[in-house]
Amino acid sequence: KQEVTQIPAALSVPEGENLVLNCSFTDSAIYNLQWFRQDPGKGLTSLLLIQSSQREQTSGRLNASLDKSSGRSTLYIAASQPGDSATYLCAVRPTGNQFYFGTGTSLTVIP
Amino acid sequence: DAGVIQSPRHEVTEMGQEVTLRCKPISGHNSLFWYRQTMMRGLELLIYFNNNVPIDDSGMPEDRFSAKMPNASFSTLKIQPSEPRDSAVYFCASSLDRRGYGYTFGSGTRLTVV
Repeated sequence: KQEVTQIPAALSVPEGENLVLNCSFTDSAIYNLQWFRQDPGKGLTSLLLIQSSQREQTSGRLNASLDKSSGRSTLYIAASQPGDSATYLCAVRPTGNQFYFGTGTSLTVIP
Repeated sequence: DAGVIQSPRHEVTEMGQEVTLRCKPISGHNSLFWYRQTMMRGLELLIYFNNNVPIDDSGMPEDRFSAKMPNASFSTLKIQPSEPRDSAVYFCASSLDRRGYGYTFGSGTRLTVV
């Protein structure tokens, strides 16, 4: 069974800093990987989706990379803002149809 | 589009009672997913449908759980009888295709079984 680990579990940074969130997975045979954001009491919002053939995806201040062979993905957030405070989850999809989620990194950006 | 709509937002019920959670996916999405989120286990996929047909229900924890999708715009997740360990947030999500494009979550139903 695929296992997804996210480190750190929690992160607190001052506004304006660049930061990196990490995701690792045990089985490199994946179809794609998604990064989600979850605000308290809300559902998940898809941020970036990377297909297995891709190395990275960018959206605004967010950049996600994928290294399938090493079983790792990173989410880079540039010039962090208080509005970025949320829990960030990564989810990997093996060649089947099951998404496996990590337990998330809780990010707090301090004004 | 109003997004994926789940009801109720909160449900408190007594052990042994039947609970029905409802989901309306985004119009045009052909895949629907039910997830459960707990602090201990994170997000777990319970079941998913493609074109209203259940494809994989291996995540459904027990026979007490059942899910239906009678048409493209409605799905239910039923727990009968409910138990305290079923307390969790249940999410419904829909997507444009099985690959996950346009993956959109509802706001969830927080279930408390006392």
